[in-house]
Amino acid sequence: AQSVTQLDSQVPVFEEAPVELRCNYSSSVSVYLFWYVQYPNQGLQLLLKYLSGSTLVKGINGFEAEFNKSQTSFHLRKPSVHISDTAEYFCAAMNTGFQKLVFGTGTRLLVSP
Amino acid sequence: EAQVTQNPRYLITVTGKKLTVTCSQNMNHEYMSWYRQDPGLGLRQIYYSMNVEVTDKGDVPEGYKVSRKEKRNFPLILESPSPNQTSLYFCASSPMAGLAGVLNTGELFFGEGSRLTVL
Repeated sequence: AQSVTQLDSQVPVFEEAPVELRCNYSSSVSVYLFWYVQYPNQGLQLLLKYLSGSTLVKGINGFEAEFNKSQTSFHLRKPSVHISDTAEYFCAAMNTGFQKLVFGTGTRLLVSP
Repeated sequence: EAQVTQNPRYLITVTGKKLTVTCSQNMNHEYMSWYRQDPGLGLRQIYYSMNVEVTDKGDVPEGYKVSRKEKRNFPLILESPSPNQTSLYFCASSPMAGLAGVLNTGELFFGEGSRLTVL
């Protein structure tokens, strides 16, 4: 069964510092990969997605992620974070040809001044 | 405005009192799904529907029912709520694609969530 692992439950970082949120997936078949963001008291919204093509994917709010097939990873990065980036981030994966999106357990990004 | 609307947003109820959380989308999406979010467990799928009158169990369906009589609506029913169903619930929708009935790109559009407390 497909699974998504986010090893870090919480990542504290200072404003304007770079950040990386880690995501690993397990799948023996082709996958689509996603990062969703959940701001406090809101639903999830799509940050970026990898379907095919270039392994470096750029999303909204200056975030980007790199698909690494050999390491089965899809880490999320931002070179300089803002206070407003404080939120919970979910990695998700879907086997192509299926109807199910599997989510990781989430990483809470805490940006302080 | 394209959106997924859930009601109620907050609810406190007691064990055994039937309740329904409504979900409606105005994007003409075929696929709809319910998730529950619990600390440390992320989002877990309860039920999903690929089209009208087509529903299927997700990972944690016990204690829940759904129906899909119209394309836009996908209510979640708790016939006899219990304290372990205290959670944050999200409805989501997505367009399907092709005859194979796969999710178009896997992108889900979420409602704002319904926080349910069962005493």
